[in-house]
Amino acid sequence: DAGVTQSPTHLIKTRGQQVTLRCSPKSGHDTVSWYQQALGQGPQFIFQYYEEEERQRGNFPDRFSGHQFPNYSSELNVNALLLGDSALYLCASSLAGGGSINYGYTFGSGTRLTVV
Amino acid sequence: DAKTTQPPSMDCAEGRAANLPCNHSTISGNEYVYWYRQIHSQGPQYIIHGLKNNETNEMASLIITEDRKSSTLILPHATLRDTAVYYCIVRVNSNYQLIWGAGTKLIIKP
Repeated sequence: DAGVTQSPTHLIKTRGQQVTLRCSPKSGHDTVSWYQQALGQGPQFIFQYYEEEERQRGNFPDRFSGHQFPNYSSELNVNALLLGDSALYLCASSLAGGGSINYGYTFGSGTRLTVV
Repeated sequence: DAKTTQPPSMDCAEGRAANLPCNHSTISGNEYVYWYRQIHSQGPQYIIHGLKNNETNEMASLIITEDRKSSTLILPHATLRDTAVYYCIVRVNSNYQLIWGAGTKLIIKP
């Protein structure tokens, strides 16, 4: 049973560029959440997608946008990259949006984004 | 901001029980306590959760105080592979996001 798959695993971008990160949820899951994790800190919630709509959003600027496809996979797009966007970006999948209260969220291994 | 307070680091000898404390003094009646861990360079892994009763699964036990203001995660027989950052999170079921603190870095020593 495949878990959450994220691509690419590592990425280097130049300040001002745009980036797209991809996530395939765990089989059977229909909801995808995105988190940003700076070095030495806990993850911070960016947003959650369910039924192809953004259902909840954290405190991130509009430069961060996303999309969910009919097959439940998701993309995270970041425009006009800043040096401070360098972080590990984590995708978490769950069932029926709430993160099944019995099993929690399943996380991928993340995409390490470096902005230079 | 995170609603939990954890010690920044702890050591434990291999084979011993690791007891990780968490304070959540402002927890609401409908908020669950979740524990996740993150091994270096990997995504967080769900461990266990509870509302007010003590819980046990194949990975760990969760002890929640009667007033629900604190909890303890117990790894009964710690191994070197349990070295990780452990996060305690409180969350109401209707809120989809997890709000993370800095966690406890647990180091298991041989």
